[in-house]
Amino acid sequence: QLQLQESGPGLVKPSETLSLTCTVSGGSISSSSYYWGWIRQPPGKGLEWIGSISYSGNTFYIPSLKSRVTISGDTSRNQFSLKLSSVTAADTAVYYCARHPAKRGEPAGTVDYWGQGTLVIVSS
Amino acid sequence: DIQMTQSPSTLSASVGDRVTITCRASQSIRYWLAWYQQKPGKAPNLLIYKASILESGVPSRFSGSGSGTEFTLTISRLQPDDFATYYCQQYFSYSTFGGGTKVEIK
Repeated sequence: QLQLQESGPGLVKPSETLSLTCTVSGGSISSSSYYWGWIRQPPGKGLEWIGSISYSGNTFYIPSLKSRVTISGDTSRNQFSLKLSSVTAADTAVYYCARHPAKRGEPAGTVDYWGQGTLVIVSS
Repeated sequence: DIQMTQSPSTLSASVGDRVTITCRASQSIRYWLAWYQQKPGKAPNLLIYKASILESGVPSRFSGSGSGTEFTLTISRLQPDDFATYYCQQYFSYSTFGGGTKVEIK
């Protein structure tokens, strides 16, 4: 059974960099059948896709966050990570890591597996 | 960026009701649209993808339709387990979610 688990600090100071890691078990991030991504949800609000990384290491970011976001993968540890720089209170959210099925000829956007989510609060 | 607008934002219904939620895209997304159900404190759960294809394991009372810019999610007979918030998601260009529709007990 596939499992995704987010880890990282739950509190980050304004202007600093938010760093989260997603550990995947029961599946490989090197599989050509999937992309791996991050989605966030501010408390009481809707979902926002942040970006994703393909099995070959190509990255895709939402334009509004592109200048602050880096997603990377570590195949040796079967993990992928999110870094979001220069955070403000507006970045306070539950952050989910996610698996995106990648079918030939189709965009890899749906999410079939989610992590449980981790709350990150930006505050001094 | 493609904007997704869901309506209504809140819907009051009773068990057994037929429920319809609408999602509109700011430009054509063909049929690259998904629907998710989210319960409080939990991650969302994929219900439908490619506008009308039911994800494995999802009850058949859920159905999706539409193409281009207008899409609907229908629950044919609302069950107690269906009271939740529903989100649409376009994945034609990057990805964007709608604002959500909370289905509450009437």
